[in-house]
Amino acid sequence: SQQGEEDPQALSIQEGENATMNCSYKTSINNLQWYRQNSGRGLVHLILIRSNEREKHSGRLRVTLDTSKKSSSLLITASRAADTASYFCATDALNTGTASKLTFGTGTRLQVTL
Amino acid sequence: KAGVTQTPRYLIKTRGQQVTLSCSPISGHRSVSWYQQTPGQGLQFLFEYFSETQRNKGNFPGRFSGRQFSNSRSEMNVSTLELGDSALYLCASSLRDRLTEQYFGPGTRLTVT
Repeated sequence: SQQGEEDPQALSIQEGENATMNCSYKTSINNLQWYRQNSGRGLVHLILIRSNEREKHSGRLRVTLDTSKKSSSLLITASRAADTASYFCATDALNTGTASKLTFGTGTRLQVTL
Repeated sequence: KAGVTQTPRYLIKTRGQQVTLSCSPISGHRSVSWYQQTPGQGLQFLFEYFSETQRNKGNFPGRFSGRQFSNSRSEMNVSTLELGDSALYLCASSLRDRLTEQYFGPGTRLTVT
């Protein structure tokens, strides 16, 4: 079952605008990651934020994490048509030992139009 | 460095058959995870292997199994295929443990008829 819920499910903006996606999760985590998926292909890792971090930047991406509210947001600034994709948050829960196990959210489908 | 590769990319099988999917991780990566993606259930974790040992398993029936070889390449097998097994199967590799990002392959699109 999926742990995360993402909001909105779909987002349509014009090129140059900012896009904000939100993710909520249920259990305590080690880290939270954001991935992009183009049209049913493999996922591309965008950014990882650890549970003791509150904000992280990477190029046009800004991620925030609020562990008290169990939520995260991804901001894409100055969006481009090439940003059109589905975006997923994924959490790595505590108490999984050394194993890797990502639990994905439901995803936000972003459409950037010219 | 070459990325994660998965073979085959597309597969059509009939109910009741079995299927084996292959994944070659990025060179030097020792952890390989498998995920199933369907429109209804989204992305779900199947299992993870590290140094030929299964370290974690998701909530899938025993028809789903996997293994990892000494060169870190991994295979997953689904026996007695059901229509609901139609999905995109994604493999991901990571350097060592859960504190690092995972790198995904392009996936294998399995259609069960």
